[in-house]
Amino acid sequence: EPEVTQTPSHQVTQMGQEVILRCVPISNHLYFYWYRQILGQKVEFLVSFYNNEISEKSEIFDDQFSVERPDGSNFTLKIRSTKLEDSAMYFCASSELAEGYSEQYFGPGTRLTVT
Amino acid sequence: DQQVKQNSPSLSVQEGRISILNCDYTNSMFDYFLWYKKYPAEGPTFLISISSIKDKNEDGRFTVFLNKSAKHLSLHIVPSQPGDSAVYFCAASVDTGNQFYFGTGTSLTVIP
Repeated sequence: EPEVTQTPSHQVTQMGQEVILRCVPISNHLYFYWYRQILGQKVEFLVSFYNNEISEKSEIFDDQFSVERPDGSNFTLKIRSTKLEDSAMYFCASSELAEGYSEQYFGPGTRLTVT
Repeated sequence: DQQVKQNSPSLSVQEGRISILNCDYTNSMFDYFLWYKKYPAEGPTFLISISSIKDKNEDGRFTVFLNKSAKHLSLHIVPSQPGDSAVYFCAASVDTGNQFYFGTGTSLTVIP
């Protein structure tokens, strides 16, 4: 069964450093998403991406964040200058564009620890 | 501003009994609701969904009930099995996009 994959599983970085989180969505899916979950808190929407551009983003997704689909398979989230409060589990998801709503398939997540 | 709330952070149920997980929402524009299950170190997995035109949707052991007037939905698992032990998230969406609002999750433990 196809699945969304994410690398790395755990990333440790120092405050102020840039990080890139990588995701490989399911191959025939057209919508891509990033979510995060700070430990003990709810899963929060960051951004959705369709047709090589951002379709929606939340207030969390400020200028420090960017997303890219550099090739036909990868979908990346870049944080330019990490802060302590960026420490969280980051989930990538993808969905197949269809009539009505389409369930999102989540990857296993990347745990980001900013020290 | 939490639009989707799961007020019970944890729930324990004996194997074979019914598990009832609850979720409340505040935005009356939500018209599509989902439940996700999450095991440790894994991403959330879609479980079951319901649109606002229905009040019940059943899939095997899982049934979701929607009470629009109370802005409340619940997930029933019957009979509960030890493999159901996981964190369950409810999520809701409005028809303007694909953004889902998640609750904080309820950790279900099914005791053998």
